[in-house]
Amino acid sequence: LAKTTQPISMDSYEGQEVNITCSHNNIATNDYITWYQQFPSQGPRFIIQGYKTKVTNEVASLFIPADRKSSTLSLPRVSLSDTAVYYCLVGGRTSGTYKYIFGTGTRLKVLA
Amino acid sequence: DAGVIQSPRHEVTEMGQEVTLRCKPISGHNSLFWYRQTMMRGLELLIYFNNNVPIDDSGMPEDRFSAKMPNASFSTLKIQPSEPRDSAVYFCASSPVPVLATANTGELFFGEGSRLTVL
Repeated sequence: LAKTTQPISMDSYEGQEVNITCSHNNIATNDYITWYQQFPSQGPRFIIQGYKTKVTNEVASLFIPADRKSSTLSLPRVSLSDTAVYYCLVGGRTSGTYKYIFGTGTRLKVLA
Repeated sequence: DAGVIQSPRHEVTEMGQEVTLRCKPISGHNSLFWYRQTMMRGLELLIYFNNNVPIDDSGMPEDRFSAKMPNASFSTLKIQPSEPRDSAVYFCASSPVPVLATANTGELFFGEGSRLTVL
C-alpha cells in the first residue's frame, strides 16, 4: 500500500501560486494520484487526478515526474477561500481490491 | 444529483446508547466507503462495500461497530454501545468505480458527514 508524505502546513498570501508536494515512493503501476480539498465541517472534495506528466483543470494543475514517486499540486493565484486541508491520495491495491487511504494532509492558510 | 446524503448531521448521545448513522450514495455508484475523522487520527477508513457486499472491514475499530448495505441506495453504520472515544465526524463516500477494478481511476464523492458526540 503506497504511503504518502506531505508537509503538515503551509502559509501563503493572496494572489500567489502555491505548490504542495506529496511523496509516494511505493506507488504501484496501476495507481493514480488524486488530490482532495477539505473545508471545515465538510467532506473532502475531489480537485484533480493524474497518472503521469501534467494534468490541468479549471482549479489546479498536477505535476507528476517520470518516476511517479512524487507529485505536486499547483494552485494558481490563491484567494482566502482556498484556505483548507489538501490531501494527496494514492489508490492502494491490496488483496486484489483498492483501498483509499488518506494521509495527514497539508493545512494551507491563505493570508490577506 | 443531490450527492451523497448522510443523516443525522449532528448526534449527541450518552455513553452506552446505540447510534445509527445513515448514508444514501449517489445513484449508480458501485462502491461505498465509511470514514471516521478526528483531530488526533485524521481520516480513517473503516469499511467499504462493492455492489452492496462488504469487501474489507479491517478498519472497524471494535466489535461495537457494524455496517450494512441492504441495497444499492442505503447503508448504515451502527455503534453499540457507544463510548466517548467514538466521538468524531463520520463520513460516507461513494465512487462510480468498483473497488475490484484493475486500475484506480475513480474519485470519491463525500457526504457532509455526521458529527457524533458521545457524553
